[in-house]
Amino acid sequence: DAGVIQSPRHEVTEMGQEVTLRCKPISGHNSLFWYRQTMMRGLELLIYFNNNVPIDDSGMPEDRFSAKMPNASFSTLKIQPSEPRDSAVYFCASSTHRGFETQYFGPGTRLLVL
Amino acid sequence: GNSVTQMEGPVTLSEEAFLTINCTYTATGYPSLFWYVQYPGEGLQLLLKATKADDKGSNKGFEATYRKETTSFHLEKGSVQVSDSAVYFCALGVINMDTGRRALTFGSGTRLQVQP
Repeated sequence: DAGVIQSPRHEVTEMGQEVTLRCKPISGHNSLFWYRQTMMRGLELLIYFNNNVPIDDSGMPEDRFSAKMPNASFSTLKIQPSEPRDSAVYFCASSTHRGFETQYFGPGTRLLVL
Repeated sequence: GNSVTQMEGPVTLSEEAFLTINCTYTATGYPSLFWYVQYPGEGLQLLLKATKADDKGSNKGFEATYRKETTSFHLEKGSVQVSDSAVYFCALGVINMDTGRRALTFGSGTRLQVQP
């Protein structure tokens, strides 16, 4: 299995631009998670989906962030407009519903907003 | 609420030294406990887990025992290697009995540096 695939691996953009991060979960996994990791705040859960439906989005920082999962094999996290404080590593993870806590993480997208 | 507290790092050890990384938790109900590891430039991966009190999780020479009486899940390894240098995250998994929602709460992570 290819594991969780994220793209791009690195993104540098200017403040105010739209950023779209992409994730392909492991085939057969029906739970998908978006996390953000920074030195100051550690690892934060932004949102998670079960069977393509958002279950808990309480970690989404503000309206500038949105996430979609149009089908079982694809999800996006969008930031519009981006700000320098959004600079972080964004991880996507997936799991089966039964094995919720055994999450398989992708390699992450390192985002830098100038 | 649910929370996990880990010892602050970095923890710096010489190769073949004994490792302990402390983890304590606060939770309602009956949580499962996990250790995840993050190698440089990679995502987290599950290292070991324990689902009930007195269970011992083990993997790759690492061990942790679920201690309900002390609400702890300390990670240990008898002889560390340079390749064990990474960030280690303790995590707690719970199910909200009212909503049925499941949640995995991570600690802040502890960086381990092993010197040759």
